[in-house]
Amino acid sequence: QVQLVESGGGVVQPGRSLRLSCVASGLTFRNYGMHWVRQAPGKGLEWVAIIWYDGSNKYYADSVKGRFTISKDNSKNTLYLQMDSLRVEDTAMYFCTTSRGSSWYKDHWGQGTLVTVSS
Amino acid sequence: QSALTQPPSASASPGQSVTISCTGTSSDFGAYNYVSWYQQHPGKAPKLIIYEVNKRPSGVPDRFSGSKSGNTASLTVSGLQAEDEADYYCSSNAGSNNVLFGGGTKLTVL
Repeated sequence: QVQLVESGGGVVQPGRSLRLSCVASGLTFRNYGMHWVRQAPGKGLEWVAIIWYDGSNKYYADSVKGRFTISKDNSKNTLYLQMDSLRVEDTAMYFCTTSRGSSWYKDHWGQGTLVTVSS
Repeated sequence: QSALTQPPSASASPGQSVTISCTGTSSDFGAYNYVSWYQQHPGKAPKLIIYEVNKRPSGVPDRFSGSKSGNTASLTVSGLQAEDEADYYCSSNAGSNNVLFGGGTKLTVL
């Protein structure tokens, strides 16, 4: 079955950087677009970014544009999120998900990795 | 674009039906049927239960159904069961290279 496993979360000071990873198994990763979605403690879901199956297109939420970079390495079945200039408001659980079809629905989710931005 | 609007809470008794609304603007939904719904139990990852307005992934009970009229999408849960108690989120991709989520609805099974 499809499994997505995120890692790389932790506690970081404002202004610093962090890179999240998401290792996929049970699917042909190179055929899948992927999203990052986050959830602040006690809050709702917020879309962060999407990358096309081949990495040719990337789109970001306005809240992270210019600070976060999504990428994927199809040879390693791994999705990344490089997070620079972190802010307190970036504190959240970060989930990676698959992206399907033109509607970009998210049919598989990882369990998430927690990022805490605090001084 | 702001988040889609959902009621913060909904409740019904076991066996009854409940409908959760998700309201946006015409630009939030566009001309596409790109509405999906996710169920999230406490401490767990969200799970896809409806995609493209009214399609159910394999394994999701047919007690869950979706619809859309104008700028409002709806999720109906029929024959409520205790395990349906969870948070529910709607989502839309209006073809604008952006994804919107609703604020979430906490469903309580009385």
